[in-house]
Amino acid sequence: GIQVEQSPPDLILQEGANSTLRCNFSDSVNNLQWFHQNPWGQLINLFYIPSGTKQNGRLSATTVATERYSLLYISSSQTTDSGVYFCAVGTIQGAQKLVFGQGTRLTINP
Amino acid sequence: DSGVTQTPKHLITATGQRVTLRCSPRSGDLSVYWYQQSLDQGLQFLIQYYNGEERAKGNILERFSAQQFPDLHSELNLSSLELGDSALYFCASSVGGRGTGELFFGEGSRLTVL
Repeated sequence: GIQVEQSPPDLILQEGANSTLRCNFSDSVNNLQWFHQNPWGQLINLFYIPSGTKQNGRLSATTVATERYSLLYISSSQTTDSGVYFCAVGTIQGAQKLVFGQGTRLTINP
Repeated sequence: DSGVTQTPKHLITATGQRVTLRCSPRSGDLSVYWYQQSLDQGLQFLIQYYNGEERAKGNILERFSAQQFPDLHSELNLSSLELGDSALYFCASSVGGRGTGELFFGEGSRLTVL
């Protein structure tokens, strides 16, 4: 099946810093989503981005499907951005189910 | 609020017992997915239903079963529970069952097996 690798596994930053999280995948995808899992365990949808670029406030994401990677950018980090960020991909063969990466744990210190 | 509702939010039970987790998808969504999140395995896909029919199966144990009812809500049944079944169980829903489409996740049911 498809493999999803996220980097870095851990990231510790000061409030106000910018960060880039990367997601590599091993096959063609027709679905790619970024999630934020907050300290209470909730999975929050950030972006549905099988290709192209999207922005939502301080967050933006880019997926280059032909090169099999996606990037999540967080600017002017806040302590509430802390948590685990997951990339998840889906393929037509996979019947739309999502395969998750292992996540990037982001810690924003005040 | 994703619109996906899961109950119960927390559940503590003993080894050997059986529990049922319930999920109501977003209004209009026909697909329901179940995922298990444990510390050592990450987020693992268990099973998908589309409009009442099983569509895809992942790493679901034989002790676990699921179904989707005519009103589209779904239940995940976990039996002969073991300590290793302790995990966060998520339900997700989407409009379609194949191809593109965004998945939305519920808040999860945290199961602790003692």
